[in-house]
Amino acid sequence: GESVGLHLPTLSVQEGDNSIINCAYSNSASDYFIWYKQESGKGPQFIIDIRSNMDKRQGQRVTVLLNKTVKHLSLQIAATQPGDSAVYFCAENRPGTYKYIFGTGTRLKVLA
Amino acid sequence: GAGVSQSPRYKVTKRGQDVALRCDPISGHVSLYWYRQALGQGPEFLTYFNYEAQQDKSGLPNDRFSAERPEGSISTLTIQRTEQRDSAMYRCASSPKGGRNEKLFFGSGTQLSVL
Repeated sequence: GESVGLHLPTLSVQEGDNSIINCAYSNSASDYFIWYKQESGKGPQFIIDIRSNMDKRQGQRVTVLLNKTVKHLSLQIAATQPGDSAVYFCAENRPGTYKYIFGTGTRLKVLA
Repeated sequence: GAGVSQSPRYKVTKRGQDVALRCDPISGHVSLYWYRQALGQGPEFLTYFNYEAQQDKSGLPNDRFSAERPEGSISTLTIQRTEQRDSAMYRCASSPKGGRNEKLFFGSGTQLSVL
């Protein structure tokens, strides 16, 4: 089957710890951002989004932080679980277009 | 199911053959996207439809690639005279509305292998 992210940056965390996944985006005018989770053999799955008029948004066990000054996004996962193991992508929506530009991804490994 | 459906799941073809990849979006979704994902990378935009109108095809690599969505629902991505470099996972996504800043729902993709 498909294997996503063979050579991606990898973050290994202990089960129960908090995870922080970082992403640098390229266009300072981008006004909407999404984090996706991709498990092996599956398509990207929406986790959380944030608009550029916000600095922080919280979901269930996840928080996204946006720093427009340095064009940086982070995804925080609280109490990381084995089911969180996947590749995580950030995506930015560029103004004036409908296309989403995806980052290179980070593999999260949760250690029991 | 209620998700985005793509077929075939796997397609193996010989160089020079044409292939057609099918996407059935979530019922009622206005927007439909095609992306291509190489191993170890994030999805790369190919084209976007709002109902049946192809509003952005700037990501299509060359004129061998085309897409249509004639009735504003099912879409077909066609690659003519396939080359080995076309081998990749092709993903379809849909979203409920036609505007910007909408979350996308992705299908499981079609893995294309050109021999």
